[in-house]
Amino acid sequence: AQTVTQSQPEMSVQEAETVTLSCTYDTSESDYYLFWYKQPPSRQMILVIRQEAYKQQNATENRFSVNFQKAAKSFSLKISDSQLGDAAMYFCAYRIAYSGAGSYQLTFGKGTKLSVIP
Amino acid sequence: DTAVSQTPKYLVTQMGNDKSIKCEQNLGHDTMYWYKQDSKKFLKIMFSYNNKELIINETVPNRFSPKSPDKAHLNLHINSLELGDSAVYFCASSLWGVGDEKLFFGSGTQLSVL
Repeated sequence: AQTVTQSQPEMSVQEAETVTLSCTYDTSESDYYLFWYKQPPSRQMILVIRQEAYKQQNATENRFSVNFQKAAKSFSLKISDSQLGDAAMYFCAYRIAYSGAGSYQLTFGKGTKLSVIP
Repeated sequence: DTAVSQTPKYLVTQMGNDKSIKCEQNLGHDTMYWYKQDSKKFLKIMFSYNNKELIINETVPNRFSPKSPDKAHLNLHINSLELGDSAVYFCASSLWGVGDEKLFFGSGTQLSVL
């Protein structure tokens, strides 16, 4: 079974600084997707960034980038120039690419609570 | 405008009651899901429906019964509510198949069982 581990229950960062959130996963599959979701106090689940396992190039979305190390099964999220609005729970998630069921069954980590200090 | 909408947003009820949460999506998706987020913020899939057919049914008490009248709706009915059912329940939708599809979440229903 696939598992996703986020070893940092809480992190804090100074406004305008950079922070990296860690995620490791365990799978025997070679083709899969990895995601970072943000959940602010509003509860809404917001997709931050996505990485396809077959792509070696790390995904980037504006101030958000990932460091994807497939051999190490590591998928960290870097937030640059942190803003107050970045304060939220961040969830790492995994999805097998070819489940045979075609559906979007995500396996989530337990989350990292990010605080941004003004 | 809301892509995936759930009602109600908050639900407070007594133990033993039966309650329903409704979910509707206007994205033209054919697959819908229920996820549960417990008090420790852990998210886990409960059910998945494709074209009204049950696809994923994780280990969930049979007091939970999803119902999909059509592709755009997936409701969750819970019988004999227990204290441990208190959680946030998220509906989501996507297109069936592999590839570049995205998963869209509703804003969640916070269920409190007293």
